[in-house]
Parts: sequence; structure tokens; C-alpha cells
Amino acid sequence: GAVVSQHPSWVICKSGTSVKIECRSLDFQATTMFWYRQFPKQSLMLMATSNEGSKATYEQGVEKDKFLINHASLTLSTLTVTSAHPEDSSFYICSARDPGQGSLNTEAFFGQGTRLTVV
Amino acid sequence: DAKTTQPTSMDCAEGRAANLPCNHSTISGNEYVYWYRQIHSQGPQYIIHGLKNNETNEMASLIITEDRKSSTLILPHATLRDTAVYYCIVRVLGGTSYGKLTFGQGTILTVHP
Repeated sequence: GAVVSQHPSWVICKSGTSVKIECRSLDFQATTMFWYRQFPKQSLMLMATSNEGSKATYEQGVEKDKFLINHASLTLSTLTVTSAHPEDSSFYICSARDPGQGSLNTEAFFGQGTRLTVV
Repeated sequence: DAKTTQPTSMDCAEGRAANLPCNHSTISGNEYVYWYRQIHSQGPQYIIHGLKNNETNEMASLIITEDRKSSTLILPHATLRDTAVYYCIVRVLGGTSYGKLTFGQGTILTVHP
């Protein structure tokens, strides 16, 4: 099946610094990717929809200037957490849809997630 | 997307069938039932989906009631590796929000020896 890879799997950064997380579709072209955030013992919450070649669409309450999304190619979307603070510590997960799957699709393939800890 | 209700947690003995229920009483005619699971500290994994007929694949079976207001995910022979949070999601297939999923709290399934 289709594979989505995230990098890094975990990262620790100092408060005030920026962190970039990459999401790659390995065997298909993803015109759309999604970024989710998951706090401990909570469910996944959609942050934004990343569209190749255009601006990302952010969910209500998500600061677009803090969470910068770049979808520069059909296989790569990046999420940059700018001026990170301890409250940004979370599990960040991306997903991608494969337009080629058609009606038999699973709709979304997920990366393995990135554990961000801001100290 | 229709709202779903799942039990918070369930236990199952290894080797036995795990039956995970989901209520979706407000489901509309063109909405599918999807199941994903999330093993601790990993991304969600697709399990199965269906519209109104029962479905089976190598991972699980999906039983949807005739009125489509509820469904049951069946793991026929649960193993310790099936311990995870299971999410039931109801949504329209495809469309402009294709791939965008709304996760509820899910059911924590614990498989014990």
C-alpha cells in the first residue's frame, strides 16, 4: 500500500526556536496533505490542509503564522513550528490522499508521527 | 460528517474475537463508515470501510445494521498487537474534503494474555 513518511520521528528543541517537520509520500503523488496534532490522551485534531502549489487552509483556532506549511512538490509537505514554546509540545501527524486510489481508496495514508518536545 | 459514539474502553482475551461497536444514528445515505486504529505513538492505520453491506478483509470484518445507525468492527482472533485506540468515522466518500478526517475519542482496546 501507499506509504507516507515523516521526519524526524522525534525532536527536542529549546523554547523560542523553530522546528521543521517533513512529510513525504513515497510511492504516489499527493496534491493534498493534512497535518494533525495530538496531545497526550486526546484524539487527533486537524490543523491544516496543505495543497501543492497554493496556500494551506487552516482550521479555526490554528495560527497560520506560527505553523507554517509549505507544499513545494507533489511528494513533500513541511510543517514549521515557529518560536516554539512548551505548550506546542505534541505529537504531529501528517496524512496524504492518493488520487489514484479511486473508489477503493482508504482516503488517507498516515505518517508515523513526530513527537515534538519543547524545553 | 455524522457524529459517532463509541465505548471509551474494552478488554479482550488474546485469541478471542474483539467486537467494537459504534453508533452513528444520524448517518446520511451517502456516508460511509470507516475504521482506523492507532497503536501507541504511531500514526493511524486504515482498517476497513463500508456503506451498507458487510465487509471483510485480511484485518477485520465490518457489520453494518440494516438501518445503518450502528456498526461493529470485528477482529476475529485478537492478538496482543491489536491493542490500540480504534476510531469509527462516518463521512462521505471522496468529495472536496477527500482525505480529511474528523477523529472522535475512539475506543481503547486492550488485548490481554
